[in-house]
Order: sequence, then structure tokens, then C-alpha cells
Amino acid sequence: GDSVTQMEGPVTLSEEAFLTINCTYTATGYPSLFWYVQYPGEGLQLLLKATKADDKGSNKGFEATYRKETTSFHLEKGSVQVSDSAVYFCALSSTNAGKSTFGDGTTLTVKP
Amino acid sequence: GAVVSQHPSWVICKSGTSVKIECRSLDFQATTMFWYRQFPKQSLMLMATSNEGSKATYEQGVEKDKFLINHASLTLSTLTVTSAHPEDSSFYICSAGSGRFYEQYFGPGTRLTVT
Repeated sequence: GDSVTQMEGPVTLSEEAFLTINCTYTATGYPSLFWYVQYPGEGLQLLLKATKADDKGSNKGFEATYRKETTSFHLEKGSVQVSDSAVYFCALSSTNAGKSTFGDGTTLTVKP
Repeated sequence: GAVVSQHPSWVICKSGTSVKIECRSLDFQATTMFWYRQFPKQSLMLMATSNEGSKATYEQGVEKDKFLINHASLTLSTLTVTSAHPEDSSFYICSAGSGRFYEQYFGPGTRLTVT
């Protein structure tokens, strides 16, 4: 079955540091890949997505590239801010029913 | 666009009572909605897939008689926790699939506390 493996957290960085959160996946066919973000006490928000190989999703300074050859979708940001502190979930969906498979989440804390 | 709401945002109930949580897609029609449960500092656990006009599909290990799901219209799905117990206390999140690239739009979640 489908699975998503995320870099274990928590991750603690200083403001303006470079961020990478690793994500690899196993899936049949050609899934769509997503990063979601969850701020404390809230639901999840779609951060970015990529729907085919070599696509790059980007939003709010975050980027991730769909790498089919390495089955990866690593999240990066060049300069994090305190407001980026949240839990980040990598996910995939490989059916048109929309059912998604989520990673375990990575907690990011950015200190001033 | 693609806004999903949940009501209530938090609820406290006594053990043995039932609680209903609503999930609405405000600006799009959702033939499929999903219900998740999230424990503190843990990932999402998919409970069931709710399809408009048909019975929900429950994940293995989820008691369908305890967690009743109804998807009566293209914009509303409800989750009823029946005979709630303290171990049912959790954060419940719904989402709706857009159908285009399979992304999901999440509601803000409902914090249930059973005393």
C-alpha cells in the first residue's frame, strides 16, 4: 500500500536559518504530492502541491520538487521565520477519491 | 475559495452522552469528505470516508456504530460520537476532496472533551 516517511522531529532552528524536511514515499502509479501545515490548535492547511514528476510546488517561500527517481518530495525554505513554527505533514494521493496518506508530521520550532 | 468549516470548534460533554460534529464545504460541492482523529503530538488517523448519498466507508478498527457518519448533502457531513467515553476525547478534523488534483481542504477541527 501507499506510505509516506517523514524526517523525524522536532526540528529547532534559529530565525533566518535554512530549512529542509525530508519526505519519501511509496505508491502505486503516479500520485500527487502535498505538504500541509498545522498551526497550534488549528486544522491543516495546504502549503503546496505537485501533481507530476519534476513539478516544483512553492508557496510563502517554501518549495518542494517532485522527484520520481528518488521518490522524494523534500520541503525547503531558505530563511525561516518565527511565524513558520508549526507541524508540517507530507502527504500523497493516488486515487481520484481523494483519499490521502500522511506522514507522521514534523514539528518545527523557530527561535528568534 | 475551498473553505471548510466545522461546528462546534470545541465541546465538553458528559460520559454516556452523544455529540454531533458538523463539517460543511462553504463554497464548493464535496461528494467525498473525510473524518480524522488526531491525538496530541501525533499524526492524523483516518477514521472514515464519507460519500454523499451512500454509507460511509470506515477504516479498520473504527467502530461504525460508535462513530456515526452521515453525508446528507453535497456540502454537509456529520460525525456523531455515540455514548461518549473519556477515551473518545480527541481532536476531530474533517476534510473535503476537491476532485481535481486530489488535494484535501481541511476544517479547523473540533476539540472534544468527555468528562
